[in-house]
Amino acid sequence: AQSVAQPEDQVNVAEGNPLTVKCTYSVSGNPYLFWYVQYPNRGLQFLLKYITGDNLVKGSYGFEAEFNKSQTSFHLKKPSALVSDSALYFCAVRDIVLTGGGNKLTFGTGTQLKVEL
Amino acid sequence: DGGITQSPKYLFRKEGQNVTLSCEQNLNHDAMYWYRQDPGQGLRLIYYSQIVNDFQKGDIAEGYSVSREKKESFPLTVTSAQKNPTAFYLCASSMGLAGLPSTDTQYFGPGTRLTVL
Repeated sequence: AQSVAQPEDQVNVAEGNPLTVKCTYSVSGNPYLFWYVQYPNRGLQFLLKYITGDNLVKGSYGFEAEFNKSQTSFHLKKPSALVSDSALYFCAVRDIVLTGGGNKLTFGTGTQLKVEL
Repeated sequence: DGGITQSPKYLFRKEGQNVTLSCEQNLNHDAMYWYRQDPGQGLRLIYYSQIVNDFQKGDIAEGYSVSREKKESFPLTVTSAQKNPTAFYLCASSMGLAGLPSTDTQYFGPGTRLTVL
């Protein structure tokens, strides 16, 4: 089975500084990777995904992620953090393609990002 | 959260009681999913449905039941057999059959927080 790991439970960053939220994956075959963000008591919002092509994927709200096949990583990045970026971030990998349509995703345990003034 | 609604936002259940969580989507998506979120555990798949009148068990289906009588709706019933139902429940949908596996992205509703009294 495919899996993802988010090694940090929490990341603290000062506003204006660059941020990185780490994710490593383990898959057989080509990896299909996703990042989602969750604000308190809300659902998950899709940020970006890597399917194929450029290793740097750009997404919503100024976020981007760098796919690194040799290091099996898909770290989420932003050049300049905002206090409003404070939230819970989930990395996910496509586990299996459902024969009737759709994908089964496996999620990491989440990383809490705290951006301080 | 746009396009997927969940109700109620908060739900309280007494011991031995069945409760039903509503999920509706207006995205014309074929596939729908139910996840359970517990602190520090990420999201776990309960049930999924790829087409009307068909659904399959996910990783933690015991104590839950679903139906898919309409494309737009995928209600989840938490039965008295679920011994630890207190959690945040998230519904998601994706294009499924109508899309390509490589581009299928899941979009989430705002969630329902269930608490057992």
